[in-house]
Amino acid sequence: ILNVEQSPQSLHVQEGDSTNFTCSFPSSNFYALHWYRWETAKSPEALFVMTLNGDEKKKGRISATLNTKEGYSYLYIKGSQPEDSATYLCASHPDVTGGGNKLTFGTGTQLKVEL
Amino acid sequence: GAGVSQSPRYKVAKRGQDVALRCDPISGHVSLFWYQQALGQGPEFLTYFQNEAQLDKSGLPSDRFFAERPEGSVSTLKIQRTQQEDSAVYLCASSGRQRGVQETQYFGPGTRLLVL
Repeated sequence: ILNVEQSPQSLHVQEGDSTNFTCSFPSSNFYALHWYRWETAKSPEALFVMTLNGDEKKKGRISATLNTKEGYSYLYIKGSQPEDSATYLCASHPDVTGGGNKLTFGTGTQLKVEL
Repeated sequence: GAGVSQSPRYKVAKRGQDVALRCDPISGHVSLFWYQQALGQGPEFLTYFQNEAQLDKSGLPSDRFFAERPEGSVSTLKIQRTQQEDSAVYLCASSGRQRGVQETQYFGPGTRLLVL
């Protein structure tokens, strides 16, 4: 993996469904992985910053896991609600010496939760 | 407290026109970033400031793009002689630490630029 890739590109679920999406990133030169939620016409909202292999973080109904050896992270949403509808972006933060402070983003997963 | 703000929120420019996009970071944040998001793509890095110093401008697509942060707070991204391919959402982000790679970057709502 040379770039940050996210799948699926879009997802429609029913209210109450649980869902998950994937972020793949270069495992070499890894330093941190960021997850953001971006609702239309608003600012991207930071969800998690993850650095350690095997790390798992949770914020309400949303959780994320990290595998730095194989270069992937999963984001889970339990009991989806209409207000969860947004684009979910992940971004890789390379090693400081190699890439400075810039984030490399995937193209996002667009989630639509229907009543 | 106040988050990152950007102005204008929307800008329509005629091809060849110069534009200036403003970013007000969170007060006291040392680091400031500009990203460009083209339609259907993820945000892409443009440039990075630590206080008033522009430490990385490797993502600026051409010499028509220029960014400054003269007093280490407000930043302006200027695009000269705009082209249609410059149409995108321009996002600004700030973070607190000087080399905070684990530090969250807080984003503004973006400026949506359309070049006709």
